Amino acid sequence: RKEVEQDPGPFNVPEGATVAFNCTYSNSASQSFFWYRQDCRKEPKLLMSVYSSGNEDGRFTAQLNRASQYISLLIRDSKLSDSATYLCVVSRVGTYKYIFGTGTRLKVLA
Amino acid sequence: ETGVTQSPTHLIKTRGQQVTLRCSSQSGHNTVSWYQQALGQGPQFIFQYYREEENGRGNFPPRFSGLQFPNYSSELNVNALELDDSALYLCASSFRLAGIGSTDTQYFGPGTRLTVL
Repeated sequence: RKEVEQDPGPFNVPEGATVAFNCTYSNSASQSFFWYRQDCRKEPKLLMSVYSSGNEDGRFTAQLNRASQYISLLIRDSKLSDSATYLCVVSRVGTYKYIFGTGTRLKVLA
Repeated sequence: ETGVTQSPTHLIKTRGQQVTLRCSSQSGHNTVSWYQQALGQGPQFIFQYYREEENGRGNFPPRFSGLQFPNYSSELNVNALELDDSALYLCASSFRLAGIGSTDTQYFGPGTRLTVL
């Protein structure tokens, strides 16, 4: 079983829709959580860190559920420019490496 | 843009050859991490350098090695290239405060796409 798991998708949604992605992690010692966005053949770019209390940045909301060991990303009012792969990232206590999920592909349709 | 640069952008090598990839970290950052991303997969951690020393290594063989220089730039060297080494190699820089245990946020360079024939 992979340490970080994501549904690879693709998720095809119309413009203006709300879409949510989940990511589960297996190691309870995981400490830091992030969502990165990756466009085709480009580098990952930080979308947002995920905090225990949940956090919001414009149309994006991230949640962390430590008891169930998952994090989520909600995108409201989807734009064509949101089309990308969304990577879930987890880091464990005592290490500084990032552990990535395989990514969830999102395609926003006109 | 993150300010992290990598060179070269693309590289084609043959099996058995050696390759060196380079990374310049963002100004003010002292830590560099290297990742390998195969097609359709998430990046996989290779190793990290902090204060010129290797500080953590993923599940990669010893033919993957690296260096960090006093200016915090870094190199990734891969010897005896294999076909499966074909991937996007990503460098990420971050700033770590000594003694702080939490993970610093990493910023990625554009990557080097390596093709091994």
